[in-house]
Amino acid sequence: EIVMTQSPATLSVSPGERATLSCRASQSISSNLAWYQQKPGQAPRLLIYSASARATGVPARFSGSGSGTEFTLTISSLQSEDFAVYYCQQYYDWKTFGQGTRLDIK
Amino acid sequence: EVQLVQSGGGLVQPGGSLRLSCAASGFTFSRDWMSWVRQAPGKGLEWVANIKEDGSEEYYVDSVKGRFTISRDNAKNSLDLQMNSLRAEDTAVYFCARDGSGYHYWGQGTLVTVSS
Repeated sequence: EIVMTQSPATLSVSPGERATLSCRASQSISSNLAWYQQKPGQAPRLLIYSASARATGVPARFSGSGSGTEFTLTISSLQSEDFAVYYCQQYYDWKTFGQGTRLDIK
Repeated sequence: EVQLVQSGGGLVQPGGSLRLSCAASGFTFSRDWMSWVRQAPGKGLEWVANIKEDGSEEYYVDSVKGRFTISRDNAKNSLDLQMNSLRAEDTAVYFCARDGSGYHYWGQGTLVTVSS
């Protein structure tokens, strides 16, 4: 099983600042990686797929990068609605999720 | 507009059974793999099962193999998850999702609570 490890577990950032979230795969997954945003009581929302492609309707301040085993989600200028939990997911071999990064208001 | 509307769920005793359903609309259901994903209270996301477009292949996470069965009816655009021999650790919100390069569409989620 491919294990996905996200860091940090919690990130505190001020509105308007940049946030950088990391995700590491236990083996190479090429670019078969997605990022999701989840708010309390809601289903996850797909932000990024194929490591760097923005999903429909996702603002340009969200960007993804990386390939192989190291991936990054960057939010360029945090808005109030961006404070949530973020998950990465690999779909190279079955489907496994990272444990999540909570993005808090500083 | 793509919609996945879930039904079923609720409180069940350990060892009991429950069936979840997911009604799809707004896309050609028979052309997509479909998945069930769950989230235990306060925890992260876990893929549970998925099924091929024509229903000919099914895959499960090890912890539910032999207890859960995923199925679909392409004529009715519906996806089901039959859950038997339920355990306390199956307590979670269950989501159906349209499979692909990531899950682009999700159901609203339904809570399953396994408790005596």
